[in-house]
Amino acid sequence: EVQLVESGGGLVQFGGSLRLSCVASEFAFSDFGMNWVRQAPGKGLEWISYISASSATIIYADSVRGRFTVSRHNAENSLYLEMSSLRGDDTAVYYCAPKGGSGYVGWLDPWGQGTLVTVSP
Amino acid sequence: DIQMTQSPSTLSASVGDRVTITCRASQSISRWLAWYQQKPGKAPKILIYKASTLQSGVPSRFSGSGSGTEFTLTINTLQPEDFATYYCQQYDFYPVTFGGGTKVEIK
Repeated sequence: EVQLVESGGGLVQFGGSLRLSCVASEFAFSDFGMNWVRQAPGKGLEWISYISASSATIIYADSVRGRFTVSRHNAENSLYLEMSSLRGDDTAVYYCAPKGGSGYVGWLDPWGQGTLVTVSP
Repeated sequence: DIQMTQSPSTLSASVGDRVTITCRASQSISRWLAWYQQKPGKAPKILIYKASTLQSGVPSRFSGSGSGTEFTLTINTLQPEDFATYYCQQYDFYPVTFGGGTKVEIK
């Protein structure tokens, strides 16, 4: 069964930085584009970033562009999200999920369990 | 960006009911739409992709329809485990966007 395990979340101050990781197992990680999606407490889902299988294509949501950097290490089945200049509205559970389908854009399946990032004054 | 609007935002229903959730896109997205179920404290789980294709392992009481700008998720014979929040997602263009969610509550 495919497993995705996010880690690296925690409490960070306004303006601080954090690095999230997502480790995949039981699937061909290097063949799949990967996404980061976040969910603020009690709110809906917000897609924030995509990185293609080869890292050749990287896309960000406007809300994080210039502050967040996505990367991957296929040999280690790992996906990363470097977050800097953190703000209160970055407080959320952060999920990783592979892109489904063969198109440029796809659905997200499966999802990791998420890691909580809390940004405080 | 493509805006996705779900209705209703909350739906009260009883076990055994048939429920329908609507998702509207701000522009045509062909059939590039997925539906997810999320239970409290858990990650979303995909139910349907390409508007009407049931993901493997998802019960057949779930069905999806629509194309262009209007889509529906139908749950036939609502079961206790179906009380959850449901989201639609368009994947025609980046940025991927989600609907605001529909919470299905016990009446």
